[in-house]
Amino acid sequence: EIVLTQSPGTLSLSPGERATLSCRASQTVSLNNFAWYQHKPGQAPRLLIYAASIRATGVPDRFSGSGSGTDFTLTISRLEPEDFAVYCCQQYGLSPRTFGQGTKVEIK
Amino acid sequence: QVQLKESGPGLVKPSGTLSLTCAVSGDSISGSKWWSWVRQPPGKGLEWIGEVYHSGTTSYNPSLKSRVTISVDKSKNQFSLKLTSVTAADTAVYYCARVPNFMGWFDPWGQGALVTVSS
Repeated sequence: EIVLTQSPGTLSLSPGERATLSCRASQTVSLNNFAWYQHKPGQAPRLLIYAASIRATGVPDRFSGSGSGTDFTLTISRLEPEDFAVYCCQQYGLSPRTFGQGTKVEIK
Repeated sequence: QVQLKESGPGLVKPSGTLSLTCAVSGDSISGSKWWSWVRQPPGKGLEWIGEVYHSGTTSYNPSLKSRVTISVDKSKNQFSLKLTSVTAADTAVYYCARVPNFMGWFDPWGQGALVTVSS
């Protein structure tokens, strides 16, 4: 199965700053079948990005996804207070679908 | 607005069977989507368990396949998870989610249900 490694584990930033989150796959993710989720404690995970770079319905344009092959990036251009959360990547190019361990974006 | 909600016992004894149900509102479970279960053990990442189509066709994670059954109840617009021979390693928050197309991404998700395996 494809192992996804996210970095960094924790990102300490201030509101208004730019966040860059990375996810590296142990093998090529076919057809850019890659997604990002936002997860807050006690809440349902929320789909942010699918197909590596397509924003899900209702997701603000400060969130963007990029990458291909084995390296994918989620960028939050200017952090809003509600953006402090855990972000998780997922590949769906090969069964079984797998997830990264998550990056926590915390307030500095 | 599509909503999913998990329900079931929060405590299961070792060697017992974990049973959860996901009630779907705002979408028909008989449509062209798949319906999935994902879990997250404490302090660990998410793990896909398996999914079901309204026809009853299923797909499971090989790591759990021998212990998992996912089924659909179209009359109640819900689907269910059964996991047998549970151990402490099966303690996790269990989420149900909709899958727009087979083996795709998950959207939306339920809020999750914590299931603890303990005597």
